[in-house]
Amino acid sequence: SQKIEQNSEALNIQEGKTATLTCNYTNYSPAYLQWYRQDPGRGPVFLLLIRENEKEKRKERLKVTFDTTLKQSLFHITASQPADSATYLCALANTNAGKSTFGDGTTLTVKP
Amino acid sequence: GAVVSQHPSWVICKSGTSVKIECRSLDFQATTMFWYRQFPKQSLMLMATSNEGSKATYEQGVEKDKFLINHASLTLSTLTVTSAHPEDSSFYICSASRKQTNNQPQHFGDGTRLSIL
Repeated sequence: SQKIEQNSEALNIQEGKTATLTCNYTNYSPAYLQWYRQDPGRGPVFLLLIRENEKEKRKERLKVTFDTTLKQSLFHITASQPADSATYLCALANTNAGKSTFGDGTTLTVKP
Repeated sequence: GAVVSQHPSWVICKSGTSVKIECRSLDFQATTMFWYRQFPKQSLMLMATSNEGSKATYEQGVEKDKFLINHASLTLSTLTVTSAHPEDSSFYICSASRKQTNNQPQHFGDGTRLSIL
């Protein structure tokens, strides 16, 4: 069956360091992968989308990599700040139709 | 931007009441909207996919007569929880994708916290 795993249910790092979150998947051939941020009691906020033929995407302090051979995406936040503390969700869509399956999320805490 | 408005944000009502939740895309047209349910410390569970002008597609295990979805226009979808009971209490979130090319991200509303007494 299809499975998405975001390892490290919780990740604690010191301010200024780079946070690296992992998303692994099995039995899936995603057309594209997305990363979202969710704060408590709020809806997810879209951060980055990367397509199956792309290796890397950047946006300000954020970087996403996508390795379809390893079936893995890495999400990096450089120069992390306490305001980056949130739950980060990865989501895979295996068609272009938009329906996505979400991982369970990783809760990041950046300590000052 | 891509703003999705969800209303109401919080509902408390008695068992047996039907509750309607609205999801609007404010600055773009959305061919497809999605409805999710989320339990504490868990991820989003897709309930149904709502397509403008056609019937919604429900995920396995979701009762279509319990969770009525209407997508009457390119900017509005509604979810009605009929005859709600305490076990329906949850956080319900909608999302919308732009009516453009493929490979579009989803833009989420801020969710509706439903509490059934």
